[in-house]
Amino acid sequence: EEQLVQSGAEVKKPGESLKISCKGSGYSFSDYWIGWVRQMPGKGLEWMGLIFPGDSDTRYSPSFQGQVTMSADKSISTAYLQWNNLKASDTAMYYCVRSSPYDVWGQGTLVTVSS
Amino acid sequence: EIVLTQSPDTLSLSPGERATLSCRASQRTGSSYLAWYQQKPGQAPRLLIYAASSRATGIPDRFSGSGSGTDFTLTISRLEPEDFAVYYCQQYGVHTFGQGTKLEIK
Repeated sequence: EEQLVQSGAEVKKPGESLKISCKGSGYSFSDYWIGWVRQMPGKGLEWMGLIFPGDSDTRYSPSFQGQVTMSADKSISTAYLQWNNLKASDTAMYYCVRSSPYDVWGQGTLVTVSS
Repeated sequence: EIVLTQSPDTLSLSPGERATLSCRASQRTGSSYLAWYQQKPGQAPRLLIYAASSRATGIPDRFSGSGSGTDFTLTISRLEPEDFAVYYCQQYGVHTFGQGTKLEIK
């Protein structure tokens, strides 16, 4: 079964750093783009960017460029999403997806940023 | 930048009825890259339709997609109780999502 399994929920304080993960299985992880999607509480879906694990080529949405860093380690079939200076406005559910179209979704990682 | 506008924002129907959801793009977009997703409360979204009209694996045939250019439609022929959810369209060539349509029980 093709699946993406994400790391667990996180509670952080403003200004802290965070790295969440997304591990693929059941398919050739290196051969598909992995995307990240943000869903703020009660809101819609926002595309953040993509990474190609095969060569770590990365594309960011202009809205998220400079705000997050995407990376991948193809040797362990895992993609990462990282923040260096969390804000309360980063509170959201974050999904990794296999792209495109987005046919495999991770279960989501809830990130809560609160003082 | 392509903007996708879905209508209506909320659709109230009864089980057994037909649902028609609309997605309009701000400029012509390749039909090959139009997808529809379903999201139920507390769950990740699920791919229903890709390339405007192709059903994803395991999707019942009561779901169908159509359209081209700037206007696309998701139709659910006969609503089942499990179909009440939020639906998003997406142009996955540029990854833009519509704002979503909530399909609720009347």
